[in-house]
Amino acid sequence: RKEVEQDPGPFNVPEGATVAFNCTYSNSASQSFFWYRQDCRKEPKLLMSVYSSGNEDGRFTAQLNRASQYISLLIRDSKLSDSATYLCVVNVEGFQKLVFGTGTRLLVSP
Amino acid sequence: DAGVIQSPRHEVTEMGQEVTLRCKPISGHNSLFWYRQTMMRGLELLIYFNNNVPIDDSGMPEDRFSAKMPNASFSTLKIQPSEPRDSAVYFCASERASNTEAFFGQGTRLTVV
Repeated sequence: RKEVEQDPGPFNVPEGATVAFNCTYSNSASQSFFWYRQDCRKEPKLLMSVYSSGNEDGRFTAQLNRASQYISLLIRDSKLSDSATYLCVVNVEGFQKLVFGTGTRLLVSP
Repeated sequence: DAGVIQSPRHEVTEMGQEVTLRCKPISGHNSLFWYRQTMMRGLELLIYFNNNVPIDDSGMPEDRFSAKMPNASFSTLKIQPSEPRDSAVYFCASERASNTEAFFGQGTRLTVV
């Protein structure tokens, strides 16, 4: 089983739609969770951290479910500029070992 | 700060040749990661260093791969000999402290023919 698993997509949505991605992780001792965004042929960049209580940043909401070992990302009112690959990242074993999922590709169309 | 700097940006080499990828992390960051990204396997962690010391190299695919970090401002990833299946984008990332944001370099696109 992979340490971090994501649906590769692509998710094709129209502008203004709400879309959600899930990610599951296998190590119950994982302590830190993040969503990164990667544009085509670019490097990954931090989108947001995921806190136990859930957190929101504008149109983006991240949730953590430790019991089921998954994290989610919700994007409301999708924009064309949201088209990218979204990478789920887990800090495995409570140390500085960031493990990335393979990413979920989002395509927002006019 | 200029961010994480990788060189070269692109490398095309013949099978069997030695390839050296270079990385300069952000000043003050104490962790450095080397990742490889392909369409099939996504981002794979190859090795990471903490305070210049290799902590986990279990992701290094085989003995042909080696990495060093002689000081806090420089790291190399070497492939010798290179093979076509090594073709990928290699990213270096650095992190100031545990559980903080990891900053990536722009990557080195390696093609082995």
